Amino acid sequence: DAGVIQSPRHEVTEMGQEVTLRCKPISGHNSLFWYRQTMMRGLELLIYFNNNVPIDDSGMPEDRFSAKMPNASFSTLKIQPSEPRDSAVYFCASQPDGETEAFFGQGTRLTVV
Amino acid sequence: AQTVTQSQPEMSVQEAETVTLSCTYDTSESDYYLFWYKQPPSRQMILVIRQEAYKQQNATENRFSVNFQKAAKSFSLKISDSQLGDAAMYFCAYRSVTNFGNEKLTFGTGTRLTIIP
Repeated sequence: DAGVIQSPRHEVTEMGQEVTLRCKPISGHNSLFWYRQTMMRGLELLIYFNNNVPIDDSGMPEDRFSAKMPNASFSTLKIQPSEPRDSAVYFCASQPDGETEAFFGQGTRLTVV
Repeated sequence: AQTVTQSQPEMSVQEAETVTLSCTYDTSESDYYLFWYKQPPSRQMILVIRQEAYKQQNATENRFSVNFQKAAKSFSLKISDSQLGDAAMYFCAYRSVTNFGNEKLTFGTGTRLTIIP
């Protein structure tokens, strides 16, 4: 398996624009996580899906952020409108039911100017 | 809520020497998992080692071992025979095992490890 695949790897956008980050989890993994990494706050969970259903979205910062998982092989994290404070590395991770290890993608570095 | 604390923002060690990275955590749960993740400059998060709280024996993976002190809520990582490839950010992380819906990881702030040739 190619692992968790995220796209794009880097994104630079202007304030106010819509940004969509994409994730393809490892086949067969039931849980999918979106984490954000910043210097100030470290790594924090944004949202977590199990079997395509959002289980915990308490980490989503505000209404500008939304996440979807339309099927078992694809998820998106959308920011609209983007702001400079959204600049961070966004990680997607997946995990099979009953297992303890989460497998991370290589992250998307987002810069909002 | 659980918290994870890494009190050493930076550490350095001479190549081939041993270094220990510290981690403490706070929880009211009796059963949980603890992890050490490595993040090299490539940004990839790589699992180094994991420990189940109900196991008294400390986990080991080749040159990596942990000192798990449940009563003290301490979970340190020891790297023996340090190699240049060990240079990275190291994150300690906690995960509940109790209920469905608690599979998220709670991370510490990380320790940047430098290996001196």
